[in-house]
Amino acid sequence: EDKVVQSPLSLVVHEGDTVTLNCSYEVTNFRSLLWYKQEKKAPTFLFMLTSSGIEKKSGRLSSILDKKELSSILNITATQTGDSAIYLCALPGSSNTGKLIFGQGTTLQVKP
Amino acid sequence: GAVVSQHPSRVICKSGTSVKIECRSLDFQATTMFWYRQFPKKSLMLMATSNEGSKATYEQGVEKDKFLINHASLTLSTLTVTSAHPEDSSFYICSAGLANNEQFFGPGTRLTVL
Repeated sequence: EDKVVQSPLSLVVHEGDTVTLNCSYEVTNFRSLLWYKQEKKAPTFLFMLTSSGIEKKSGRLSSILDKKELSSILNITATQTGDSAIYLCALPGSSNTGKLIFGQGTTLQVKP
Repeated sequence: GAVVSQHPSRVICKSGTSVKIECRSLDFQATTMFWYRQFPKKSLMLMATSNEGSKATYEQGVEKDKFLINHASLTLSTLTVTSAHPEDSSFYICSAGLANNEQFFGPGTRLTVL
């Protein structure tokens, strides 16, 4: 059965800290891994990772995939209060219908 | 980037009425559209997968007669919550998918049934 597990489930840090969020997965047929950020509304797309070891970067956010370890990390450096959100990791399921399997999410709170 | 719109963003209705939510991909044609439901502090729960011109595929436990999905074109899908009841109150989110499995989400619709 396809499975996506994120850790930690929640995290509280102070502005300026660096955080690392984890995503582990079990899927029969890996195609890609996606990271989303969800604030008050629906999730916004951050990254799609398909190849191991290649870092994707967008400003203070970066992510990398490790297919050997069946995992990915999302790093946020110099955190700001605006980074407070739920971060979701998702993978297309093995059924190849395009359906995404989501992790439980990591709730990040950045305090001033 | 790919933009998905959803309308309305918020709706309040009386128990027993039906509510239609529209989902549009604005600058691309979506291979597939998806409808999710999200409860407070929970992750997204997939309700159904919708392909243009064919019947939607519903997830286990989702009543297809209650949540009617119509996918009229490659850029428009609608979800109709029929005979809504207070327990249907939730945040409904659509997404539009590309062939490479990227999915882009609409802003969501907050439904409150009185």
